Amino acid sequence: SYELTQPPSVSVSPGQTARITCSGGELPKRYAYWYQQKPGQAPVLVIYKDSERPSGIPERFSGSSSGTTVTLTISGVQAEDEADYYCQSADSVGIYVVFGGGTKLTVL
Amino acid sequence: QVQLQESGPGLVKPSQTLSLTCTVSGGSISSGAYYWSWIRHHPGKGLEWIGYIYYSGTTYYNPSLKSRLTISVDTSKTQFSLKLSSVTAADTAVYYCARGKDTGGNSKYFDSWGQGTLVTVSS
Repeated sequence: SYELTQPPSVSVSPGQTARITCSGGELPKRYAYWYQQKPGQAPVLVIYKDSERPSGIPERFSGSSSGTTVTLTISGVQAEDEADYYCQSADSVGIYVVFGGGTKLTVL
Repeated sequence: QVQLQESGPGLVKPSQTLSLTCTVSGGSISSGAYYWSWIRHHPGKGLEWIGYIYYSGTTYYNPSLKSRLTISVDTSKTQFSLKLSSVTAADTAVYYCARGKDTGGNSKYFDSWGQGTLVTVSS
């Protein structure tokens, strides 16, 4: 079955830039999406279609794509950004949804 | 703004059927622009897509759950439902319902989520 691979954890100090990667063989053909999930809360979409930002999401969140890897970048990380981040995409036929394993962002 | 709310038992016995309902408000469940999905989050683990349904009744299920899964929609009640049979402790999770969008057949994503409901499988 198709998988998306994320690092389990990323740590940064406040004000620095955090980069979270997600790798998968279908990513050159399929859009990727990013969700932020804080403890006890539902996930929130922060990036869609690789690099688009929904309304209400701070400009410090951005996304990019290169080959089989997509990257979520958080510039000027704030304490409130500490959360789990999940990438999501679809399989080769675009029907089945796949989530990455999630990355815990720790703000030191 | 659309809102989704999960409801159902928080405790299910092993081998029984887990049943949840998602009520949609503030938007039409009959819109062809969206599809209606279930996603779960196992304690300490990642998100797992369960399946989704279009207003027409067409369904797509996670292959790993397909043999135990039924998702249905009731447009008159603006609700859609999940039934997962023969549950075990491995099905203990927070279950979310979510509204999905299709990016022109390329892929699908979720722009609105319910708050989630914890379902524990235990005798």
